[in-house]
Amino acid sequence: GAVVSQHPSWVICKSGTSVKIECRSLDFQATTMFWYRQFPKQSLMLMATSNEGSKATYEQGVEKDKFLINHASLTLSTLTVTSAHPEDSSFYICSARGPLPNTEAFFGQGTRLTVV
Amino acid sequence: AQSVTQLGSHVSVSEGALVLLRCNYSSSVPPYLFWYVQYPNQGLQLLLKYTSAATLVKGINGFEAEFKKSETSFHLTKPSAHMSDAAEYFCAVSGPGGNTGFQKLVFGTGTRLLVSP
Repeated sequence: GAVVSQHPSWVICKSGTSVKIECRSLDFQATTMFWYRQFPKQSLMLMATSNEGSKATYEQGVEKDKFLINHASLTLSTLTVTSAHPEDSSFYICSARGPLPNTEAFFGQGTRLTVV
Repeated sequence: AQSVTQLGSHVSVSEGALVLLRCNYSSSVPPYLFWYVQYPNQGLQLLLKYTSAATLVKGINGFEAEFKKSETSFHLTKPSAHMSDAAEYFCAVSGPGGNTGFQKLVFGTGTRLLVSP
């Protein structure tokens, strides 16, 4: 399958600082990227969907000013957690899909964010 | 609207025993269905998917699932469990592919498979 690389795999930051997570599709053009958040021992909750070159569509309850998503190219999307607080600590996972009718989304390996 | 229900947050089997993980879906459009596996602190790996072709789908690592429209189910099975199968399994549903816009996955709450020697 196609490869999606997510970086960093883990990060610790101080409360009040911002953290950027990168998601790259290495061998295909990701026209759509998805960002998920996963709390311990729970399912993945979709945060936002972004199409290359367009503004991200956020799910209800997700603060767009806090979780900034950029999808400026067909191989890179970034999630920036701004002014992070301990409650933002979580496992963040991206996935990427090629142009329709390609139905498979490939997942990155996830980023463990800990805010102290 | 689409949703997925996974019955049983934990399933325990002995090595060599049959694995059965249950998934029921709700969808107002013909669904695409997926099973993913997640190992600790890792992303998701696709096991198999149903995309309106054959109803019995074979995946990696000896897993298979059968789409049953009348039961709105997509249960995951493996004839003989291996220790390395211990992980978290997620069932997911999305709408059909096409030109109607991007499709997003809706995940179930996951089932942790425990395999004992």
